[in-house]
Amino acid sequence: DAGITQSPRHKVTETGTPVTLRCHQTENHRYMYWYRQDPGHGLRLIHYSYGVKDTDKGEVSDGYSVSRSKTEDFLLTLESATSSQTSVYFCAISAGDTQYFGPGTRLTVL
Amino acid sequence: DQQVKQNSPSLSVQEGRISILNCDYTNSMFDYFLWYKKYPAEGPTFLISISSIKDKNEDGRFTVFLNKSAKHLSLHIVPSQPGDSAVYFCAARKAQGAQKLVFGQGTRLTINP
Repeated sequence: DAGITQSPRHKVTETGTPVTLRCHQTENHRYMYWYRQDPGHGLRLIHYSYGVKDTDKGEVSDGYSVSRSKTEDFLLTLESATSSQTSVYFCAISAGDTQYFGPGTRLTVL
Repeated sequence: DQQVKQNSPSLSVQEGRISILNCDYTNSMFDYFLWYKKYPAEGPTFLISISSIKDKNEDGRFTVFLNKSAKHLSLHIVPSQPGDSAVYFCAARKAQGAQKLVFGQGTRLTINP
C-alpha cells in the first residue's frame, strides 16, 4: 500500500461539463502519474508530474490538464468532458524503480 | 504504434499447473520491465520486475524471463492457484527520464479447479 487515494471513486457526468479527479498521496513521492485504462489498450499515460508545479504530457494528453500545487495532491481536469473520455482513471506514484497505483476512478460521460 | 504487446487476450490454466504469460516489445530503448496483476474494481498491483541486464528474476511462485535479442519477456506462475485469476499487464520503460511506463493490452488469466 503506497498511501494513494483517489476521489471520487465513481462519477457520472454529462458531455460538455468540467470534471476534476483528485489523487492524494501520503508518502511525499516526487513523481505522480495519471493513466486511463480502456479495453484493448491497457493503461495509457495522460500526464505526469516530477514536482510541485512541474508537469508534462503523456501519450494521450489531448482534452486533459493537470495541476500540482502541493506534493501530496495531483489533480486531473477534463475541461469539457466528451463521451470518448469515459474510462477508468488511475493515479500512480514512483518509488524506486516501481510505480504503485491507486484504486481508480470510474468516469462515465453521457 | 503498440510498443508493448500481449497477444493473448485470455489464458485458461488448471490449478496446480504452470501459467505462462507472454509479452513482446519493439522499442530497444526499453531497459526495465514490470508485471502487474489487476483484479476487477481495483488498481494494478506490482508483481515482479526485471532489468535488461538480467535474463531471469524469481520471487516465490513467480519468475520473469527476458530475451533481449527476441524483445520478448514471459511471466511464469507455478503452481497456479485460484487467487491468480486476474488480468496481467506487462509494462516497459526507458532508462532516462520520468519512468513513464508503456503497457501491454493485458491478458486475462483464469485458473480452473
